[in-house]
Amino acid sequence: GAGVSQSPRYKVAKRGQDVALRCDPISGHVSLFWYQQALGQGPEFLTYFQNEAQLDKSGLPSDRFFAERPEGSVSTLKIQRTQQEDSAVYLCASSSPGRDTQYFGPGTRLTVL
Amino acid sequence: QKEVEQDPGPLSVPEGAIVSLNCTYSNSAFQYFMWYRQYSRKGPELLMYTYSSGNKEDGRFTAQVDKSSKYISLFIRDSQPSDSATYLCAMRGSNDYKLSFGAGTTVTVRA
Repeated sequence: GAGVSQSPRYKVAKRGQDVALRCDPISGHVSLFWYQQALGQGPEFLTYFQNEAQLDKSGLPSDRFFAERPEGSVSTLKIQRTQQEDSAVYLCASSSPGRDTQYFGPGTRLTVL
Repeated sequence: QKEVEQDPGPLSVPEGAIVSLNCTYSNSAFQYFMWYRQYSRKGPELLMYTYSSGNKEDGRFTAQVDKSSKYISLFIRDSQPSDSATYLCAMRGSNDYKLSFGAGTTVTVRA
């Protein structure tokens, strides 16, 4: 079956540009997570959705970061006025109700010049 | 200091060797412990999942958790070149959902 998909896989942005990263979770998975993985580091939690409700956004590094999941399926992570320190791989993960396993997508590698 | 510390790599071993990977953590609330494998330019893939202290074996992989020492390990027996990847430990509390990851150890198995 299809896993978690993310698009684009690679994104190059000039400093100050806005970007939008998309995540398609596994069908039926109600929980959706976004993580940020800097080069040579482990993923760091950004935000969590249960269906369309954003239950935790404590990991978002600044108010330039915004995530949504309006219909409880596809999610978009938006970064406004990108900065060089935003350069990282952005990972999306989903899990099914009552299961702990988080399944990760391939990530979007964002490079801000 | 980070909540989860992972032995820095990189590790390079000959094919057939045992690979030993370790993490320590500071949050005593962590109850669920995972090991993920991440190939270059791919997302993390779950390898092992354990609850509380003890050992778990799955094929060539063995995960150990010692909650009293706040120490977890992953052993890979009869390592293969296809095991070459970055290995990430991850953990969470029983009432939590977000994972806390180590920084990862890059392993190369030489043919």
